[in-house]
Amino acid sequence: EPEVTQTPSHQVTQMGQEVILRCVPISNHLYFYWYRQILGQKVEFLVSFYNNEISEKSEIFDDQFSVERPDGSNFTLKIRSTKLEDSAMYFCASREVLNTEAFFGQGTRLTVV
Amino acid sequence: GIQVEQSPPDLILQEGANSTLRCNFSDSVNNLQWFHQNPWGQLINLFYIPSGTKQNGRLSATTVATERYSLLYISSSQTTDSGVYFCAVFGSSNTGKLIFGQGTTLQVKP
Repeated sequence: EPEVTQTPSHQVTQMGQEVILRCVPISNHLYFYWYRQILGQKVEFLVSFYNNEISEKSEIFDDQFSVERPDGSNFTLKIRSTKLEDSAMYFCASREVLNTEAFFGQGTRLTVV
Repeated sequence: GIQVEQSPPDLILQEGANSTLRCNFSDSVNNLQWFHQNPWGQLINLFYIPSGTKQNGRLSATTVATERYSLLYISSSQTTDSGVYFCAVFGSSNTGKLIFGQGTTLQVKP
């Protein structure tokens, strides 16, 4: 069964460093998303991506965040200068078209020290 | 934006018991999904159910879109059912972003 794949599963980084979280969405899907979940809290929307551009972003998704689909299969989230409060689980998701089921990757647990 | 409320926030069951989890949402929705977050943090798709009733083994779900709620039923619970159950919806957004509820934390004791 096709699945969304995220790497790495866990990343520890120093405050102020740049990190790139990687995702391979399901191949025929057109809509891509990043969400995050701070420990013990609910899952929050960060950004949606469609037709090679950002279609919506939340207030959390400020200038230190960026997304890319560099090669038609990968979908990345970059955090330029990490802060302690960026520590969270980051989920990538994709869906084929609107009004269909969204599928989530297994998550990347980011720890900023 | 749409508000999603789940109840109860916490639930403790003995193995073999049945339970009902509720998700209320504040506006019309085009998509509703139930997820189980396992102890490793993975979000496991349970149901895509914008309306109607679906069943999958011991789990079933019903969404009454006109009354803005969905229910997740777990029958004959097992310890492996423990974890957090999230309901997530999207409404009029043309991007398909999901709005999650706060979740119900279920603990099933042997």
